[in-house]
Amino acid sequence: DTVLTQSPALAVSPGERVSISCRASEGVNSFMHWYQQKPGQQPKLLIYKTSNLASGVPARFSGSGSGTDFTLTIDPVEADDTATYFCQQSWNDPTFGAGTKLELK
Amino acid sequence: EVQLQESGPGLVKPSQSLSLTCSVTGYSITNNYWGWIRKFPGNKMEWMGYISHSGSTAYNPSLKSRISITRDTSKNQFFLQLNSVTTEDTATYYCASSISTGFTYWGQGTLVTVSS
Repeated sequence: DTVLTQSPALAVSPGERVSISCRASEGVNSFMHWYQQKPGQQPKLLIYKTSNLASGVPARFSGSGSGTDFTLTIDPVEADDTATYFCQQSWNDPTFGAGTKLELK
Repeated sequence: EVQLQESGPGLVKPSQSLSLTCSVTGYSITNNYWGWIRKFPGNKMEWMGYISHSGSTAYNPSLKSRISITRDTSKNQFFLQLNSVTTEDTATYYCASSISTGFTYWGQGTLVTVSS
């Protein structure tokens, strides 16, 4: 399995920039995707294939990275961005990170 | 608009089979890839498997001996069967579509509890 490692939690103030990292145990080419999940809701695709914005997602969200290290950036953060963010790779059998819970100060 | 909706029992006894249906509207399941993903208590997400536009399947190796994904193209539905369940299979089960470009569309999820 390709293991994806994320920091468990982050706290930022509205208006700030936040970067959420995801490290893969092996290279995943560009096949890294990011999701936002709020309590009681299904995950929502934000970024696909490292840096492509999914339909309807605000341009405040962006993705970058290559090889084994990937980043989701939110700039500026808004109150509605409180959620858990998951990375997921599809270069090998799909696997997910454990999620980073984003809280606003 | 593409919509997916899971349905099935919310409670399954240990050693029995878990069966779920995903009903798709707004898009034909003869296109794209259609899969099952589950989220355990505590947040861990696990890809279970998928069925492709052609009907071929792929499964998570950790589940390969217990899982089957099938489809009914006339009803635009696909199905999950997981055999010999234990309490470790308690999770929220999601159906979702697309693979290489990420899981684009998701159902709302259905909680399945395995308990006697």
